[in-house]
Amino acid sequence: QQQVKQSPQSLIVQKGGISIINCAYENTAFDYFPWYQQFPGKGPALLIAIRPDVSEKKEGRFTISFNKSAKQFSLHIMDSQPGDSATYFCAASLIYNFNKFYFGSGTKLNVKP
Amino acid sequence: DGGITQSPKYLFRKEGQNVTLSCEQNLNHDAMYWYRQDPGQGLRLIYYSQIVNDFQKGDIAEGYSVSREKKESFPLTVTSAQKNPTAFYLCASSIAGTATGELFFGEGSRLTVL
Repeated sequence: QQQVKQSPQSLIVQKGGISIINCAYENTAFDYFPWYQQFPGKGPALLIAIRPDVSEKKEGRFTISFNKSAKQFSLHIMDSQPGDSATYFCAASLIYNFNKFYFGSGTKLNVKP
Repeated sequence: DGGITQSPKYLFRKEGQNVTLSCEQNLNHDAMYWYRQDPGQGLRLIYYSQIVNDFQKGDIAEGYSVSREKKESFPLTVTSAQKNPTAFYLCASSIAGTATGELFFGEGSRLTVL
């Protein structure tokens, strides 16, 4: 059973637009939700993360919205830029067991100039 | 610069051969991981290690083996028992027991079975 489901698989956005990627999780015990950004041929890098005690976290143009009751969280990229074109992965974990990160299937974002 | 170094970046293997992927880190992290990445499937955990001389199976350990003889090194062997080894392999590390849980990834090794 897939613990974290991510959508859409791919996304095309015009420069300056808003990119939205959604994730849903199964295990209500998860308490750490990071987003990773991966450029072609590179390893993923942590972009932003949230704990379930807050409903939103913002860092620059990147915002995580978290809905605990719906078991959903999403990444919003405001004023999307061509340099944001990458694959984005959501993940979920238990704060006391960082060995087990469950990753979504990834979203390939293409920001058109 | 501190980081994780994976080698080789590209590797070709004939069926029936074992291959070993190298992963070295100079971040002084206790925990190290191996993930496999396939198109449309995200990252799947193969093995992880929290401390030297100890490691645990992840979700897809069959056909793989690891060792952790030094804190800095966590090599992965893809054995001939792995039925579908062609994939992108990522090594990662983290500080065990912290509240951030950030994974630091290497740049990956792409294995192709001919």
